[in-house]
Amino acid sequence: QKEVEQDPGPLSVPEGAIVSLNCTYSNSAFQYFMWYRQYSRKGPELLMYTYSSGNKEDGRFTAQVDKSSKYISLFIRDSQPSDSATYLCAMKDDYKLSFGAGTTVTVRA
Amino acid sequence: DTGVSQDPRHKITKRGQNVTFRCDPISEHNRLYWYRQTLGQGPEFLTYFQNEAQLEKSRLLSDRFSAERPKGSFSTLEIQRTEQGDSAMYLCASSAFEKLFFGSGTQLSVL
Repeated sequence: QKEVEQDPGPLSVPEGAIVSLNCTYSNSAFQYFMWYRQYSRKGPELLMYTYSSGNKEDGRFTAQVDKSSKYISLFIRDSQPSDSATYLCAMKDDYKLSFGAGTTVTVRA
Repeated sequence: DTGVSQDPRHKITKRGQNVTFRCDPISEHNRLYWYRQTLGQGPEFLTYFQNEAQLEKSRLLSDRFSAERPKGSFSTLEIQRTEQGDSAMYLCASSAFEKLFFGSGTQLSVL
């Protein structure tokens, strides 16, 4: 079993829809939780960062962490075609960041 | 541009050849990481430096792989006697605290 599980999709939604992404994890040592966005042939770009259970909002993006269930989510409101990318969840213990497989999202105009 | 810089962006080599990649981290970031990513997968951890000390290496890092970070600044990743299975995107990241910032990667193709 992988430490971080993420449904690879792909996910296709119409413009303006809410995109919902999630990951589960098994390692209780994970303390920090991040979401990265990656465009084709580019490096991952940090989108959201949190270290506690609860919600964190940044513009159209909301990250949720539930440590008791070992479950994290990312919501994208009012999705735009420019949001089309691969979204990677990532979790960090003392030093190492462990990634999910990534979910490919396409927002249709 | 003060982001993480990687060179080259693309490398095509023949099986059995040696290749070396360079990473210039964000200045004053004391932690530097190398990851490898294959198509359809998330990045996989290879190794980690704090300043010039290499503190952790993944089991993925066979004896053919070596990484250095002289003087705690830039880092190099060398792959000796490349194999077709080494074809991947090699990503470098740096951090000062908990957030990791990635470069654009080096895409390696082994023919």
